[in-house]
Amino acid sequence: AQSVAQPEDQVNVAEGNPLTVKCTYSVSGNPYLFWYVQYPNRGLQFLLKYITGDNLVKGSYGFEAEFNKSQTSFHLKKPSALVSDSALYFCAVRRKGGATNKLIFGTGTLLAVQP
Amino acid sequence: GAGVSQSPSNKVTEKGKDVELRCDPISGHTALYWYRQSLGQGLEFLIYFQGNSAPDKSGLPSDRFSAERTGGSVSTLTIQRTQQEDSAVYLCASSHPQGGGPDTQYFGPGTRLTVL
Repeated sequence: AQSVAQPEDQVNVAEGNPLTVKCTYSVSGNPYLFWYVQYPNRGLQFLLKYITGDNLVKGSYGFEAEFNKSQTSFHLKKPSALVSDSALYFCAVRRKGGATNKLIFGTGTLLAVQP
Repeated sequence: GAGVSQSPSNKVTEKGKDVELRCDPISGHTALYWYRQSLGQGLEFLIYFQGNSAPDKSGLPSDRFSAERTGGSVSTLTIQRTQQEDSAVYLCASSHPQGGGPDTQYFGPGTRLTVL
């Protein structure tokens, strides 16, 4: 069975400081990994995905994520947080070669960036 | 171009009533997904349509839930005899198969369902 864990319900960071939102996964075989962001009263927006190759993936709005196979992690990072980054972040996994494209999502992490 | 649209944006209904939620995917996207977002539970997969293939219904929580996709485009999610635990935001997503990797799913704004 596939699963995603986001161990932090909320992450607080000061504007200008680096941020990390944690994600670990469990999947049989190799994973595809995704990060989505949800701003208040809006749908989910795609940020980035890991397919294969370079473990560091760069995405929208200056975000990046690092795939670590040994630790089964895919943490989301940004060098310098903005107040406008405050939102709900979801990590998701899909097994390579799976029968369907359905994504398994984590429970989400609320990022709060203080000015 | 236009993104995924969903209607209604909000729906309040009484326990026991049936509801229909609509999703218009991005034009040309062959895959369509329904998810449910409940408070504190993240997103839960419900059902997946891909072209003319049989849908993956493995996420539907009970036989009160059903969905169809007409003409390979618009989809309707129907919940019969609604219960209070059905209250959630129902999200639709669509994607187009890409060679060499997974599709990127694009989400609509959701329908917030409240069952009184």
